[in-house]
Formats: sequence, C-alpha cells, structure tokens
Amino acid sequence: DSGVTQTPKHLITATGQRVTLRCSPRSGDLSVYWYQQSLDQGLQFLIQYYNGEERAKGNILERFSAQQFPDLHSELNLSSLELGDSALYFCASSPQLVGQGVGNTIYFGEGSWLTVV
Amino acid sequence: AQTVTQSQPEMSVQEAETVTLSCTYDTSESDYYLFWYKQPPSRQMILVIRQEAYKQQNATENRFSVNFQKAAKSFSLKISDSQLGDAAMYFCALQNYGGSQGNLIFGKGTKLSVKP
Repeated sequence: DSGVTQTPKHLITATGQRVTLRCSPRSGDLSVYWYQQSLDQGLQFLIQYYNGEERAKGNILERFSAQQFPDLHSELNLSSLELGDSALYFCASSPQLVGQGVGNTIYFGEGSWLTVV
Repeated sequence: AQTVTQSQPEMSVQEAETVTLSCTYDTSESDYYLFWYKQPPSRQMILVIRQEAYKQQNATENRFSVNFQKAAKSFSLKISDSQLGDAAMYFCALQNYGGSQGNLIFGKGTKLSVKP
C-alpha cells in the first residue's frame, strides 16, 4: 500500500458526460501528480499541483481540469468525455519539490479505471 | 526534449535466472533521477529502485540492481534469482528538477515473463 488513495476504482460512463476522480495523497505529501495510462499512449503526465497551486502541466486536454484543495486532496475533472478518454488514471504524490540533491520519489495510487461507452 | 527509450518490448527469463532490462534516456540536465517501476497485472505502479545521477555508485535493492552509465545515458535493471512474482511490466522513468518540478517521463515499458 503506497498510502495514496484514489476513488472510484472503476467508472463506466457515456460519451459527453463529466466525471470527477478523487485523490488523497500520502500523509504529509504536498505535491500531487495526475497521469493517464492508455494502451496506445503509455503513461502520460497530465498535471501537477504543489500545496494547492498548479506547478506543471503536461499533455492535459482543455476538457480536463484539476485542483488541489487546502486539505491537499486533489480532484481531476474530465468533461465532454470521448471514447478515447478511456484509460487508467493515476494519482501520485511526493513530499516536496525536486531540487539539487533533493530527490523526490513519487508514489502512485492504484488508479481509477475509466471506461467511456 | 527529454525522452526515455526501452528497446525491449518483451523479455523472458527462467525462474532463478538473471535478466537485464535496458533503458536509455536523453536529457539536457546534468542532475536528475532515474527510477524503475514495476506494474503487475493488478496495474498498480510499484517503485523498484531509484538512482541519483550525481552518485557514481549503482543502486541496489535486494535482488534488484542497476547499471548506471551516465556518459552513455544508459540505465539498465538487473533482476537476480528471478521469481514468478517478478512477472510484470517494467517502466524506466526519468525525473528532472527545475521547470518540470519532478514530473516523471516514462519509457514504453518492457513486459517480463518468468517461466517456472
């Protein structure tokens, strides 16, 4: 158990709908990352938050958004869903920002399986 | 651009034997971190081993060790005394610091099968 909790574990929804994935980071971790794993694209970084603020953005679609709340949990909102959005969405967390000599191991949750039909 | 390449889509090893998974990467940073993650059929991402680029000594975790060649930008994973539970996808990942703030860049993965 990595200590990162994601809900729901599985979700089936229709095209055009909106869903919210929730993540609770490990106790004490300030940084939260979202990744998407699909069969054809592998593991893709979506977005990172650090202590409530957006820190880095990857290949995140405009239909997707995220936020990190004062209690440090994070939500990933996916809207106007398309079949191609079906994937495993991982949340991960780490204690701090990476710096010289400051490694930062990232621990992953079990993922949320999203199926769009 | 920073990239991670795993040239072996699939590998197979006999139980109790040793196998080496290859990984090469490209980055313009002089300091970074490298990781191997394991993803079993449950799909959970499990950290296997981590290497700091500024350390010359290769990291070791029990039966898992790495061969880190900084000049060649190579980071291979050696699994000794392979066990059935080692069967999984293995992902090599690069972590820079700076603007990306620690985001992991993953390779495509290597699927490891372990034969009894």
